[in-house]
Amino acid sequence: DQQVKQNSPSLSVQEGRISILNCDYTNSMFDYFLWYKKYPAEGPTFLISISSIKDKNEDGRFTVFLNKSAKHLSLHIVPSQPGDSAVYFCAASGDNDMRFGAGTRLTVKP
Amino acid sequence: DAGVIQSPRHEVTEMGQEVTLRCKPISGHNSLFWYRQTMMRGLELLIYFNNNVPIDDSGMPEDRFSAKMPNASFSTLKIQPSEPRDSAVYFCASSLNTGVNSPLHFGNGTRLTVT
Repeated sequence: DQQVKQNSPSLSVQEGRISILNCDYTNSMFDYFLWYKKYPAEGPTFLISISSIKDKNEDGRFTVFLNKSAKHLSLHIVPSQPGDSAVYFCAASGDNDMRFGAGTRLTVKP
Repeated sequence: DAGVIQSPRHEVTEMGQEVTLRCKPISGHNSLFWYRQTMMRGLELLIYFNNNVPIDDSGMPEDRFSAKMPNASFSTLKIQPSEPRDSAVYFCASSLNTGVNSPLHFGNGTRLTVT
């Protein structure tokens, strides 16, 4: 039962352009959402989060948008840089539970 | 701070053997999580501890898997007997607070291969 889904296993963008990573969830009890970034041979690292009382949270080049009615969130990276190339995991938490998506591999081409 | 430390980084074993994965959380963190990463299912929560006490082990696949946290600075995940389908990367993570909203700090993982 995949309660958090990242339907795009991979994404490729040109340096300087916008990267948009998407995530959908099914459990309406989730009220906090996080994005993690993972480089090869390393553990995921926390990137940005958003509470369900907000619809947008921005941190530098990274912005997370939340659409509660659609149970959808997205991570925008602009401008994208080659160093952003990694696997991005979406996570949703609430009701004493945290679930991760399967990840999206982002490749930013110079 | 050294972060979450996992050992070994790689483990190759034969089917039927016992495997023990080890984790040292960040000092002062009171929650510890074991995750398994596979290509198909991403990061799956196996079990988590709060103040050394197992809180939710519903993600543990079957009785072959067991986890312990004898003190605040050490945890183990044991698979006995191991099977080829257990091959995956196993991550340990810790967090400062008990709430699930606390960002997790992950170790670098143990890549397990069971032949």
